[in-house]
Formats: sequence, structure tokens, C-alpha cells
Amino acid sequence: SYVLTQPPSVSVARGQTARITCGGNNIVIKSVHWYQQKPGQAPVLAVYDDSDRPSGIPERFSGSNSGNTATLAISRVEAGDEADYYCQVWDTSSALGVFGGGTKLTVL
Amino acid sequence: QVEESGGGLVQPGGSLRLSCATSGITFTVYWMSWVRQAPGKGLEWVANINQDGSEKYYVDSVKGRFTISRDNAKNSLYLQMNSLRAEDTAVYYCAKVTAGRVDYWGQGTLVTVSS
Repeated sequence: SYVLTQPPSVSVARGQTARITCGGNNIVIKSVHWYQQKPGQAPVLAVYDDSDRPSGIPERFSGSNSGNTATLAISRVEAGDEADYYCQVWDTSSALGVFGGGTKLTVL
Repeated sequence: QVEESGGGLVQPGGSLRLSCATSGITFTVYWMSWVRQAPGKGLEWVANINQDGSEKYYVDSVKGRFTISRDNAKNSLYLQMNSLRAEDTAVYYCAKVTAGRVDYWGQGTLVTVSS
């Protein structure tokens, strides 16, 4: 099955830009989705189809996808952005979604 | 609204049936899924079912033990879990799927498999 690789943790100073990567074989041909999960809460869709934002998600959240790496960028990071972030694609061979291992974002 | 129920403590080898009641969405239009999260771990996609229930897909670790189903008349999704193992311990989320992504999550129900 398709494998997605994320760094376990990313730290960034408040007000700076955080970048969280998601690696996968030729991931550029897939639509990548990103979820934010705060402690004790269900995940929330933050970015879909590589770079689109659902209503209610701030413009500070953006995504890109190229080659073997997709990236979630969060500009002007705030304390409230501290959370776990997961990338996800659809695996056509299994007809299931596949998640990356998750990245814990820490705001310094 | 998406609301799960049916979680709880069960012994290894036991069974449990999770339910997911939905409201405010056109249930019959969407694929639905169950996604789980073991304590302190990441997300795992468990099972999918298409709009009329004719297609069902499972992650390898639950094949032959779990069964996903839906009742479109009741706008409800189910997960029958048999032969439960300790490694099935997790929060189970009911998930509405659109174009390969989860665009709505329930709040989850905790399943604990322990003697």
C-alpha cells in the first residue's frame, strides 16, 4: 500500500512560517489533504486537493505538492496553531485513505 | 451532525457494534468510513462503504473480523467488530467522505479491549 512519511515534530517561533512535509512516491499525481487535530478533539480538514481551503480555515494555511513531497505551510503562526497535523491521500489499490504518521507542531 | 455510539470495554475475543447517526446531511449521496486512533498514536483508515452499501473495503488488519454496513432509511452507519484484540483499542471516528477526503468527522467513541 501507499506510504506517506512526515517528520514527527516541527518547531517554529510565533509569527514565523511553519512548513510540514509529507513524502510519498510520485505524490504529485495524487490529491493531498491535510488535517489539524488538537488534543482531545476530532481532526479537522485544513487543506484539501493540495492547496484548497475549506470555509472557516484562515488564509494563513496553504498547501503545495511537487515531485515526491507535499507541504503544508502555516504563515504568521499563532499559539492556537499548536496541534498534530496529518497528510492523507486516497490509495486506489486498496480503495482506502492513507494517512501520514502525523507531525506535532510546537509554537515557541 | 455525526454522532457515534456503542464504544466501551470488551474482553479480548469479544464483539462490539458501533453506530453512527447522522443528521443534516444527504446521507445517501456519500461514501462513509470508519477511522480509528489508538491512544497516543496516529490516524488509521479502517473501512469504507459506498452509497448503496454494495462496495466495502477494509484495512488488512481487520479483514474477516470487522463488517461495515449502513441503513440509508435511518441515515446511519455501523461497524460490527468481532474477535477483538488489544491492538483494536482506539477511538473510532465516523467519517463522511467526499472525493477521497474526510470533510466531516464525528467526535469519536472509545473502544477498549482488555481483560
